Amino acid sequence: DIVLTQSPDSLAVSLGERATINCKSSQSVLHYSNNKNLLAWYQHKPGQPPKLLIYWASTRESGVPDRISGSGSGTDFTLTISSLQAEDVAVYYCQHYHSPPPLFGQGTKVEIK
Amino acid sequence: EVRLVESGGGLVQPGGSLRLSCAASGFTFSSHWMHWVRQAPGNGLMWLSRINNDGRSTIYADSVKGRFTISRDNAKNTLYLQINGLRAEDTAVYYCARVSSDWHVDYWGHGTLVTVSS
Repeated sequence: DIVLTQSPDSLAVSLGERATINCKSSQSVLHYSNNKNLLAWYQHKPGQPPKLLIYWASTRESGVPDRISGSGSGTDFTLTISSLQAEDVAVYYCQHYHSPPPLFGQGTKVEIK
Repeated sequence: EVRLVESGGGLVQPGGSLRLSCAASGFTFSSHWMHWVRQAPGNGLMWLSRINNDGRSTIYADSVKGRFTISRDNAKNTLYLQINGLRAEDTAVYYCARVSSDWHVDYWGHGTLVTVSS
């Protein structure tokens, strides 16, 4: 199984400051057929379903603000919120879809400092 | 508009069974693979199972294999999760989720709560 480990488990950031979440994979999630990284990021707020933010490790889903971005390749990935807003308070998860089982990272809780 | 609406959750005694449903609308259900994912209280998201578009291929997390069965009825645009031998640790919100044409999960339902308690 490909295991994803996120860091940190939680972080507190001041409004307007940068938040950075890391996701490390136990194996490469780069797919040979299209040379794309099969990794997505989701935002999960209490009482709501998870929301897709990023797929192919760096492609922003339609409607996601451009202050949210994804980067990385192979086994190391990053989700960056360039200027934290109050509505960004949530738990963020990475998930790979390279090979079954498509496991999630353990989640990173983002709060306002 | 893509809609996924889960139902069938509730309070059940340990050892009992439940069948969760996920009614899909707003897209061609039979063209999409589907997942079930759950979140136990205080825990993160846990992937449970996946089914392909025609229902002939299924996979499960090791921890639920043998107790959980995923299925679908494309004529009814509905996804199912049969859960047998319920345990306290199965208490969670259960979500169904759609797999996009680019292989990632793109839409989620709002979830249905399953509580296992005597």
